[in-house]
Amino acid sequence: GEDVEQSLFLSVREGDSSVINCTYTDSSSTYLYWYKQEPGAGLQLLTYIFSNMDMKQDQRLTVLLNKKDKHLSLRIADTQTGDSAIYFCAERLSGNTPLVFGKGTRLSVIA
Amino acid sequence: GAGVSQSPSNKVTEKGKDVELRCDPISGHTALYWYRQSLGQGLEFLIYFQGNSAPDKSGLPSDRFSAERTGGSVSTLTIQRTQQEDSAVYLCASSAWTGGTEAFFGQGTRLTVV
Repeated sequence: GEDVEQSLFLSVREGDSSVINCTYTDSSSTYLYWYKQEPGAGLQLLTYIFSNMDMKQDQRLTVLLNKKDKHLSLRIADTQTGDSAIYFCAERLSGNTPLVFGKGTRLSVIA
Repeated sequence: GAGVSQSPSNKVTEKGKDVELRCDPISGHTALYWYRQSLGQGLEFLIYFQGNSAPDKSGLPSDRFSAERTGGSVSTLTIQRTQQEDSAVYLCASSAWTGGTEAFFGQGTRLTVV
């Protein structure tokens, strides 16, 4: 079955790097996503990675995928107070299936 | 439209009443999803529409929940005889196709059952 797990909380100091981790159970996942939810707002896609990739970098964001361990991480370099939000990991098995989300990691950035 | 639009943004209803939540997806998007986000919980999948195919209703929690998508565009999620445990934010998303591209989310409808 599908299951996506994340730690619930992460606290970092402004300027440090944040690493948010996610594990998933279905090895046939084709696409993996990171969404950001700010207070009172909807979900915003940050980045996604195909399962045939190991890494994807986009400005301050680096996504690492370890398919063997079914582990996905999101690294935010030079974390700012504006990065404080809930970050959701999600997987999609194939084209005709919905996204399966984790419970989200609440990132708190301390000035 | 420019984005996924949901209405109302907030809804307070009495226990036992029926409610309808509306979602206007991005024009031309063939896939539409409903999720529920309860306090402190992740996103729980409810139902998924793709084009003219039969919807995937596997996530609906009970037969009090139903959804329609008319003309391949606007969708309505109906909750009959609401219960307090139905209180949550109901999120709608749409995507252009069912491959790897992103799903765009609306701002959600916050439902409170009193």
